[in-house]
Amino acid sequence: NAGVTQTPKFQVLKTGQSMTLQCAQDMNHNSMYWYRQDPGMGLRLIYYSASEGTTDKGEVPNGYNVSRLNKREFSLRLESAAPSQTSVYFCASTSAGTGRFFGPGTRLTVL
Amino acid sequence: AQSVTQLGSHVSVSEGALVLLRCNYSSSVPPYLFWYVQYPNQGLQLLLKYTSAATLVKGINGFEAEFKKSETSFHLTKPSAHMSDAAEYFCAVSDSGGGADGLTFGKGTHLIIQP
Repeated sequence: NAGVTQTPKFQVLKTGQSMTLQCAQDMNHNSMYWYRQDPGMGLRLIYYSASEGTTDKGEVPNGYNVSRLNKREFSLRLESAAPSQTSVYFCASTSAGTGRFFGPGTRLTVL
Repeated sequence: AQSVTQLGSHVSVSEGALVLLRCNYSSSVPPYLFWYVQYPNQGLQLLLKYTSAATLVKGINGFEAEFKKSETSFHLTKPSAHMSDAAEYFCAVSDSGGGADGLTFGKGTHLIIQP
């Protein structure tokens, strides 16, 4: 099992550019999440998907959109990147009774 | 609403000394509590979790945590620190077992191990 995989690992964007962060899990988990991690802020939830076909806003959803493509995949899109979106982005998945499994992260810099 | 406070953004201990990382929580319902570890340039890994069974929870790598309801605390300890324990540690609280309702994380404590 690969667990939770994320692509790309690193990305540099210019202000106003768009991009999609990809996440996939092979553990048959129902729920998937996108977080951002900033120094001194811990992890903050951007969006989550409780099950295939549903998505909900988290604590900091502005500037982002998500798609739960199927049970395995949950993508995060930045339509018009801003320097404030420079961060490390983590995808995670879980099912009832399991802990939350995290991907290795995507380090995004917006110039 | 639930929240987590981790006391000390940085904790430094000598190799072989006791590790104590503090976590206090607030929750309107009996909580589920978690500790995660993040090694440099990696994602978070679950160390241990409390889900209303035994109040003393044992995790991986020799870590354990004790749930104290009267103190609303869930401190993480390890009797003897190793150099490999140097990492960022996050305490988290959920009122639903960490499922779809989300998990609230503390801001993290960076553990430094002095040789």
